[in-house]
Amino acid sequence: SQTIHQWPATLVQPVGSPLSLECTVEGTSNPNLYWYRQAAGRGLQLLFYSVGIGQISSEVPQNLSASRPQDRQFILSSKKLLLSDSGFYLCAWTLTGSTGGGGANEQFFGPGTRLTVL
Amino acid sequence: QQQVKQSPQSLIVQKGGISIINCAYENTAFDYFPWYQQFPGKGPALLIAIRPDVSEKKEGRFTISFNKSAKQFSLHIMDSQPGDSATYFCAATHSGTYKYIFGTGTRLKVLA
Repeated sequence: SQTIHQWPATLVQPVGSPLSLECTVEGTSNPNLYWYRQAAGRGLQLLFYSVGIGQISSEVPQNLSASRPQDRQFILSSKKLLLSDSGFYLCAWTLTGSTGGGGANEQFFGPGTRLTVL
Repeated sequence: QQQVKQSPQSLIVQKGGISIINCAYENTAFDYFPWYQQFPGKGPALLIAIRPDVSEKKEGRFTISFNKSAKQFSLHIMDSQPGDSATYFCAATHSGTYKYIFGTGTRLKVLA
């Protein structure tokens, strides 16, 4: 069965510090990978998605970036955190080829990383 | 056109009652409609999903009703329990996109 991991689970960082959040998926190959951010009591904001190694699509051109150095690893980074970067960061995956139609559309979420920028 | 409008924002139901959450969409290309359940501090968990070739799908106490002509779909939670208290998100996606469009969420509280 497939499993998705995120770490760290919680993080408190000062404004202006760098950020690196990691997501890994087990039990599948070539998944589509996603980063979302959820502000307190709010909905899900898609930040980035990737359909393959080195392929990153950005939805929110802010001070965040994403990388996919390995097939099942997705990293979210920032060089200098802002107060507004605080939130709950969620990684998600779908099966390869899942473009919304057909049979493999389920999107599964990781446990999340709670980031507080002070 | 890419939005999914979800209502109500919050809902309070007595134990044993029926919880109903509604979503509406504009993009007729959408062909997959999942619902997610999220508990505080946890990632959303896929609850149930439907495709437009059926009007209803039931899994245990959870039912999705789908109205293609009205471009609406809803989640019904029968015999609601305090353990169902969570935030529920609807979503939609379609062939040719990798993106999932999420509703804004409904915070459900089931009173014991």
